Amino acid sequence: EIVLTQSPATLSLSPGDAATLSCRASQSISNYLAWYQQKPGQAPRLLIFDASNRAAGIPARFSGSGSGTDFTLTISSLEPEDFAVYYCQQRSSWPPFGQGTKVEIK
Amino acid sequence: QVQVVESGGGVVQPGRSLRLSCVGSEFTFSSYAMHWIRQAPGKGLEWVTVISSNGDTKYYADSVKGRFAISRDNSRNTVSLEMNSLRPEDTAVYYCARDASSSRHAVAYYFDYWGQGALVTVSS
Repeated sequence: EIVLTQSPATLSLSPGDAATLSCRASQSISNYLAWYQQKPGQAPRLLIFDASNRAAGIPARFSGSGSGTDFTLTISSLEPEDFAVYYCQQRSSWPPFGQGTKVEIK
Repeated sequence: QVQVVESGGGVVQPGRSLRLSCVGSEFTFSSYAMHWIRQAPGKGLEWVTVISSNGDTKYYADSVKGRFAISRDNSRNTVSLEMNSLRPEDTAVYYCARDASSSRHAVAYYFDYWGQGALVTVSS
């Protein structure tokens, strides 16, 4: 079983700030990692797949990087609509999700 | 635009059964594997099951194996989840999601379109 650990659990930032979210896998998953955004009462939305590829319609302020065991989601300048919970998810073996990082308004 | 819409949620007693349905539209349904993913109240996401584009291959999370069954009818653009022997810990919002790969021979295990979710509450 591959465990994904996201950090921090909560990130308190202001609009316009840059956000850096981390996802660490318990063993190498190559680049088989996705990131999702979930707002309260809504379904998750795919942001990034294969570690660094933006999904259709995702703004350029969202970027992903990493390979092996360490991955990062960066939001270059937070917009008001970006405050949400973010999940990483691996597809290297059985597809579990990380526990999530909440990006909240400071 | 691509849409995925779930139905069939509700309140059910422990040990009973419930069937969820999901209809896909504005895409070639028969080309995509489909998944069910659930989220317990206030908790994270848990992948539940997948069915291949032609319905021949199915996989389940250990937590539901032997109790849940996924099926699909490509003539009706529908995927279903039959949930038996329900437990209180199955209480969750159940999302139907499209696999990100349009290849009939591969499953990406990324989820690019999600429904709005169906709430299943297991309680006496």
